[in-house]
Amino acid sequence: NAGVTQTPKFQVLKTGQSMTLQCAQDMNHNSMYWYRQDPGMGLRLIYYSASEGTTDKGEVPNGYNVSRLNKREFSLRLESAAPSQTSVYFCASTERLGGSANVLTFGAGSRLTVL
Amino acid sequence: KQEVTQIPAALSVPEGENLVLNCSFTDSAIYNLQWFRQDPGKGLTSLLLIQSSQREQTSGRLNASLDKSSGRSTLYIAASQPGDSATYLCAAKGYGGSQGNLIFGKGTKLSVKP
Repeated sequence: NAGVTQTPKFQVLKTGQSMTLQCAQDMNHNSMYWYRQDPGMGLRLIYYSASEGTTDKGEVPNGYNVSRLNKREFSLRLESAAPSQTSVYFCASTERLGGSANVLTFGAGSRLTVL
Repeated sequence: KQEVTQIPAALSVPEGENLVLNCSFTDSAIYNLQWFRQDPGKGLTSLLLIQSSQREQTSGRLNASLDKSSGRSTLYIAASQPGDSATYLCAAKGYGGSQGNLIFGKGTKLSVKP
């Protein structure tokens, strides 16, 4: 089925470890996003990529890096995980950044726990 | 800075009731407003998108309205069913800068009792 695929679905890390969350979409969308969702905080944008080859910081970028590998893939890396990064991470995509009628399509989420 | 608020945080209704979920936003200069549904442990599913030039959108038993002047949107669910139980989030998309990202509310958790 067409959509946004995230891996892994679950991950447990120790403080200081690194890992990469992978995201791929097969809808030929130009723009991709990484959000985190925390209880009582709602969804907050970490990084986004308006198009292949570009990335920009969102509301909460500290402690994260991203790579827009190609049009399909957008990865999120935690270089040195901290307990404050325990969260559910969602990747999303849309046809283009400025489209007023473009619906945002989300992946199923990656639940990360940092001990 | 845009802020999006959803009240109440939780709502419980008996099956068959018509209900309204509320969403308010502080900056009326929005591109669009979207309503999403989130089931426990799942991602978000887009329900309806209202462009800034529109007043409402309908899909099946769902109707979303937008009043930019008052900074409000409502999601009307007709003849609610237990399968409608989920968290409903609204998100406003602004013009600001180069971001164009959505600002989300914290959601209303709906429980429809059989």
